[in-house]
Amino acid sequence: EIVLTQSPGTLSLSPGERATLSCRASQSVSNTYLAWYQQKPGQAPRLLIYGTSNRATDIPDKFSGSGSGTDFTLTISRLDPEDSAVYYCQQYGSSPKTFGQGTRLEIK
Amino acid sequence: QVQLVQSGAEVKKPGASVKVSCKASGYTFTEYYLQWVRQAPGQGLEWMGWINPKTGTTVSAQRFQGWVTMTRDTSISTIYLELSSLKSADTAVYYCARGRARPGAFDFWGQGTMVTVSS
Repeated sequence: EIVLTQSPGTLSLSPGERATLSCRASQSVSNTYLAWYQQKPGQAPRLLIYGTSNRATDIPDKFSGSGSGTDFTLTISRLDPEDSAVYYCQQYGSSPKTFGQGTRLEIK
Repeated sequence: QVQLVQSGAEVKKPGASVKVSCKASGYTFTEYYLQWVRQAPGQGLEWMGWINPKTGTTVSAQRFQGWVTMTRDTSISTIYLELSSLKSADTAVYYCARGRARPGAFDFWGQGTMVTVSS
């Protein structure tokens, strides 16, 4: 099983700043099958990024993904209060399709 | 538009079973695998397994094998998740989600079904 470790656990930033979220895998993620999701309280997760760097439909270009092998990054630029959420990475190339434990992003 | 609509909240006693449904619309039901993911209160996301709606083939995460059953009814574009021998630790929101490819990230999600297990 591939274990995904996200850091930091919580990130507090101001509007207009840039957020950098990290996701490290215990072994190489096959074919860059790495996704990022955003989840707000009381809502289902929303797909942001798939295949490491591809934005999902209707996701603005302020969200970008990068990485390979075992190290992946989600960057969110021009932060606004609407970006406050928990962000999860997921690998879906190997079974079980594991998630990271999440990074909570607070915009103050 | 693609929609996944799940059944309503359930309250069950320990040892009981529960069956959650997920009705798909807005796309060809048999062309995309559907997944089940759960989230305990205040916790992260846990993948449970997937079903191929075309063939009925299922794959479950090892920890759910033997007590989780995934089925589908193609006539009404609906999948089901049945959990048996429920424990309080199974209290969670259960989501269905569509895999956008094979393999694929989960591009559309149901609204979630809260299952509470309490005596």
